[in-house]
Parts: sequence; C-alpha cells; structure tokens
Amino acid sequence: LAKTTQPISMDSYEGQEVNITCSHNNIATNDYITWYQQFPSQGPRFIIQGYKTKVTNEVASLFIPADRKSSTLSLPRVSLSDTAVYYCLVVLAYSGAGSYQLTFGKGTKLSVIP
Amino acid sequence: GAGVSQSPSNKVTEKGKDVELRCDPISGHTALYWYRQSLGQGLEFLIYFQGNSAPDKSGLPSDRFSAERTGGSVSTLTIQRTQQEDSAVYLCASSLASGRTYNEQFFGPGTRLTVL
Repeated sequence: LAKTTQPISMDSYEGQEVNITCSHNNIATNDYITWYQQFPSQGPRFIIQGYKTKVTNEVASLFIPADRKSSTLSLPRVSLSDTAVYYCLVVLAYSGAGSYQLTFGKGTKLSVIP
Repeated sequence: GAGVSQSPSNKVTEKGKDVELRCDPISGHTALYWYRQSLGQGLEFLIYFQGNSAPDKSGLPSDRFSAERTGGSVSTLTIQRTQQEDSAVYLCASSLASGRTYNEQFFGPGTRLTVL
C-alpha cells in the first residue's frame, strides 16, 4: 500500500476552516483515500472516503486532484470538539485475500484554540 | 449495543501473567480486526477474522499472542507471559463481510493494557 505523509500537528482558531493535506505519491489505480478521526481514549472513527475529485458529507469535504498523489481533508468552521488526531489512509478497493487491514501512520494532531 | 464493545476498558497486570481481552463486534459484521496502539504511535494491525477463521495472522508480534472467534461474533485476544513492551491500547474493529470490496471498519473504545 502507498505510504502517506501528513503534517504532525496543526493549530486553528474556532470558526476557521481547516485543511489537512496528505501526500500519497505511490497510490495505486484501485486504491481509495480514507480519513479517520481519533479522540483521546477512543477508537478511530471514519470521516470520509474518496477516489477522485471531491467528496462531501455532513462532517467534511475531501479534495483529490486528478493525479491522486495527494488529498486534502477540509473541516469547515472547526469547534473545540474537533480537537483530535486525523489519519489519512490509503486502502485497497479489492483484496483477493479478503483482509482490508488499515495502515495508520502517526496522523495530524489538530488543536482548536478558543 | 449499536457499536463495537470491548472489555475490560483497562487492565493492569504483572509481567509474566496471561491476559484475555474481549471484543463484541457489531451484530451482522462478519469481518473482525485487532489492532494495537502504543503510546504516541499509529495503529498496528495484529489479526483479521472472517467469520470464525483467521486468514491473516501476519501482524501477531510473537507466539505469545493468539486470538479466537466463536459463533462468528465475540473474539478474544490472549497474551501469554506478558512483557512490559506489550503495554498498549488494544483496539478491535468490525465491518461487513470483507469480500470483493472494502467496507468501513467500526472501532471499539479499546482496552488499555499496562504490564508492570
């Protein structure tokens, strides 16, 4: 699976839009890009997943350029409760072995400041 | 319950003792994964179950680690002769059948294991 690189930490004020960019230069044709969020003392929680262009849900937007070598998670108008670690992952669209184990890096620690 | 549950939430044990960690997946989820998260690190894959069988055990760090799943539901991760380096948060995740396509994995809250 393609290795991902993302900033270790980011700070933002409440109410601002936050963009976290992840690079995945070696992404394969059938791989998807997935983002998870993790609060302290909790398991990771799925935020959003995409293949190309733009995906939006009630929580975030995901922008993926045509070459798919990077992606940007956009969180609109963050609040204090968005303080968490955000993980960018590349996942297989299809696994012949049936296992879709996720490979998490260290993620980006987002701190929202009042 | 609606989500993945794990027990105990915290476990403190002495070096050399055996521990059992339990995971109750979401009802109907046939795929189950165990991960480990050490302090300040990302998650490390341990083992994957499809139903009661474990086709991928590649992440188990040593033969002191084993896991089983019964009735296609509850799973138990057992660590024998615990060592201090086993201290970590052990997370369980479940998803709909892993087959031809990836399905979202839902994580439990984890079990924090401390080996003294």
